Amino acid sequence: GDSVTQMEGPVTLSEEAFLTINCTYTATGYPSLFWYVQYPGEGLQLLLKATKADDKGSNKGFEATYRKETTSFHLEKGSVQVSDSAVYFCALSEGAGSYQLTFGKGTKLSVIP
Amino acid sequence: GAGVSQSPSNKVTEKGKDVELRCDPISGHTALYWYRQSLGQGLEFLIYFQGNSAPDKSGLPSDRFSAERTGGSVSTLTIQRTQQEDSAVYLCASSPRAGIGYTFGSGTRLTVV
Repeated sequence: GDSVTQMEGPVTLSEEAFLTINCTYTATGYPSLFWYVQYPGEGLQLLLKATKADDKGSNKGFEATYRKETTSFHLEKGSVQVSDSAVYFCALSEGAGSYQLTFGKGTKLSVIP
Repeated sequence: GAGVSQSPSNKVTEKGKDVELRCDPISGHTALYWYRQSLGQGLEFLIYFQGNSAPDKSGLPSDRFSAERTGGSVSTLTIQRTQQEDSAVYLCASSPRAGIGYTFGSGTRLTVV
């Protein structure tokens, strides 16, 4: 079955540091890939997505590129802020009409001033 | 409504009691989903509704779990004879149609003591 593996947390960074959260996947088909963010006390919010190979999703300074050859979708940000402190989830769905999201276990990011 | 609303936000119950968790989706969203977020386990798919019917109940962990949706709107997840391993955050999401544009609620944190 489908699965998503993301780096274990927690991750603690200083403000303005570079962020990478690794995510790799296994899927039987040609999935769409997502990063969701969960701020404290809130629901999951879609951060960015990519639907085909070499697509780059971007939002709020975060980027991730769909790499089919390495089955990866690593999240990056060049300069993190305290407000980026949250739990980040990598997820996939199997494509058009697929209703189920398969999530990684989440990576907690703490950014300190 | 403006977002997906879940109630209660927190629930503490004694082992063996039944609990009901409620989800109010975004108006007009035909698809509704329940996920469970357990500590260290990521998000686990429970059930998917299209309108009032549930084409996929495969994620429900046992026959103690059931869910219904009425009027194509509100959904209730019921857990009978709760066990300590049921302690988790239960997340509801809705979308305009299957697999497109999930919006998550803030969840219900269930603690079984």
